[in-house]
Amino acid sequence: QKEVEQDPGPLSVPEGAIVSLNCTYSNSAFQYFMWYRQYSRKGPELLMYTYSSGNKEDGRFTAQVDKSSKYISLFIRDSQPSDSATYLCAMRSGNQGGKLIFGQGTELSVKP
Amino acid sequence: NAGVTQTPKFRVLKTGQSMTLLCAQDMNHEYMYWYRQDPGMGLRLIHYSVGEGTTAKGEVPDGYNVSRLKKQNFLLGLESAAPSQTSVYFCASSYNGFDGRYEQYFGPGTRLTVT
Repeated sequence: QKEVEQDPGPLSVPEGAIVSLNCTYSNSAFQYFMWYRQYSRKGPELLMYTYSSGNKEDGRFTAQVDKSSKYISLFIRDSQPSDSATYLCAMRSGNQGGKLIFGQGTELSVKP
Repeated sequence: NAGVTQTPKFRVLKTGQSMTLLCAQDMNHEYMYWYRQDPGMGLRLIHYSVGEGTTAKGEVPDGYNVSRLKKQNFLLGLESAAPSQTSVYFCASSYNGFDGRYEQYFGPGTRLTVT
């Protein structure tokens, strides 16, 4: 069983829809949670960063962490065609320095 | 600033050949990483470095070697390429995140095909 599980999709939604992307994990030591966005044939870029449990909002994006359920989510409101990309969750424990464990990535397509 | 750059962008190797992938960063980051990305597998850590002259194994190190002779460069070597090493390779770097952040900045990737 992988430490981090993410539904690979693909996920296709109409423009303006609310998108929910999710990851589950098994390692209770994970404390730092990230979402990366990767456009086709590009390197990933950090989108959201959250420490421990709770919510974090940045514009149309909201990241949620539920450590009790070992479950993290990324919500995209009013989705745009420019949001079409692969979204990867990533996480690490406090004693692993910069080492991240990534999910498989979810491919999202937002149709005009 | 160029950020993280990778050389080459594309490469085709025959089984058994060797090659070196070069990663360079101009952000004065302490930490550097090599990942491979395969369909349905996400990013998997091959090797990483926490400073000049140091290297450590990641999740999938077999068949690869690395060196960090200069702080700004991190080299990934394949001594005897195998078809299973066909993948997209990403290099990343991060600062020493005393705030716990360790944001990783990624290069554009190297597409390697081994026939």
